[in-house]
Amino acid sequence: QKEVEQDPGPLSVPEGAIVSLNCTYSNSAFQYFMWYRQYSRKGPELLMYTYSSGNKEDGRFTAQVDKSSKYISLFIRDSQPSDSATYLCAMSKSNYQLIWGAGTKLIIKP
Amino acid sequence: DVKVTQSSRYLVKRTGEKVFLECVQDMDHENMFWYRQDPGLGLRLIYFSYDVKMKEKGDIPEGYSVSREKKERFSLILESASTNQTSMYLCASSFVTGANYGYTFGSGTRLTVV
Repeated sequence: QKEVEQDPGPLSVPEGAIVSLNCTYSNSAFQYFMWYRQYSRKGPELLMYTYSSGNKEDGRFTAQVDKSSKYISLFIRDSQPSDSATYLCAMSKSNYQLIWGAGTKLIIKP
Repeated sequence: DVKVTQSSRYLVKRTGEKVFLECVQDMDHENMFWYRQDPGLGLRLIYFSYDVKMKEKGDIPEGYSVSREKKERFSLILESASTNQTSMYLCASSFVTGANYGYTFGSGTRLTVV
């Protein structure tokens, strides 16, 4: 069993919809949680990070962590075609290493 | 802006060749990483380095080596390239406690071994 599970998609939604992207994990020691966005033929870029449980909002993006359920989510409001990308979740295992989800490909249809 | 620069965007090499992939960062980061990314397999860690001349094996080090002679530069070496090493290679860097706050990635090198 992988330490971090993420549905690879693709997830296709119409422009303007609310998007929900999710990851589950098995290691209760994870404390820091991140979401990265990766456009085609580019490297991943950090979108949001959160510490422990709770919500964090940044513009149209909200990151949510539920440590009791070992479940994290990224919500995108008023989705735009420019949000079409692969979204990767990642979790901190140590000062050096992140553990990665496989990434979910998101397609926003105009 | 923090920059991680990978020397080549696209490379085509022949089986058996020795291949060097170079990565340079300009933010004085202590940690540097090499990943490969394949469809359906996600990001897999090859090697990482937390200091000059220090290196640690990641999850898939076989067939690869690394070199870090200067803090800003981390090189990945394919000793004898094989077709199963065709992949997207990504370099990343972070501060010493930076795994908790994220990595900065380069744009990647798409390597094809023929």
